[in-house]
Amino acid sequence: GQQVMQIPQYQHVQEGEDFTTYCNSSTTLSNIQWYKQRPGGHPVFLIQLVKSGEVKKQKRLTFQFGEAKKNSSLHITATQTTDVGTYFCAGPETSGGSYIPTFGRGTSLIVHP
Amino acid sequence: DTGVSQNPRHKITKRGQNVTFRCDPISEHNRLYWYRQTLGQGPEFLTYFQNEAQLEKSRLLSDRFSAERPKGSFSTLEIQRTEQGDSAMYLCASSLVSTANEQFFGPGTRLTVL
Repeated sequence: GQQVMQIPQYQHVQEGEDFTTYCNSSTTLSNIQWYKQRPGGHPVFLIQLVKSGEVKKQKRLTFQFGEAKKNSSLHITATQTTDVGTYFCAGPETSGGSYIPTFGRGTSLIVHP
Repeated sequence: DTGVSQNPRHKITKRGQNVTFRCDPISEHNRLYWYRQTLGQGPEFLTYFQNEAQLEKSRLLSDRFSAERPKGSFSTLEIQRTEQGDSAMYLCASSLVSTANEQFFGPGTRLTVL
């Protein structure tokens, strides 16, 4: 089945530094989603990317979908302590008419003040 | 409507017992999903419903796991003959069909099997 891999697993940064997490799929994705999970919380939807090469921005967050639609990235500029959490990418496996959302393992961001 | 709710929030049970969790989705959402999440991992898809129909159940972890959504509103996830390896957070999410990939998650039920 489809596999979604994320790197790094953990990232420590000083407040104000930038952060990037990368997501790679074993298969071509029709679309990809990003979620954020705060410590002790539940995943919260951030954004969906659909088009090849698409770039979307949300304030200090920049999301990118690769040209081949097999990889994606999330970049945070000038991290703040409120950015702490685990960031997951997810892509649906739709082979054979099924719909199976597949999440990556996540990248945990730790911001040191 | 304040979002997806799940009950109970915590469940401690002894190995071999049956447990049932409930999920109440956002009222207008016709899709409902169940996931399992263990420490350091992303949500692992188990099954989903569209209205009352269970459209995908091949990823339920074993035949001890079953889910229902009898009236197309709330859903229950049952685990029979629990094992210690079933200890995890069980998350429910809901969405509209038209925006199926934008899922709203509930707070989860944390299961501990002793």
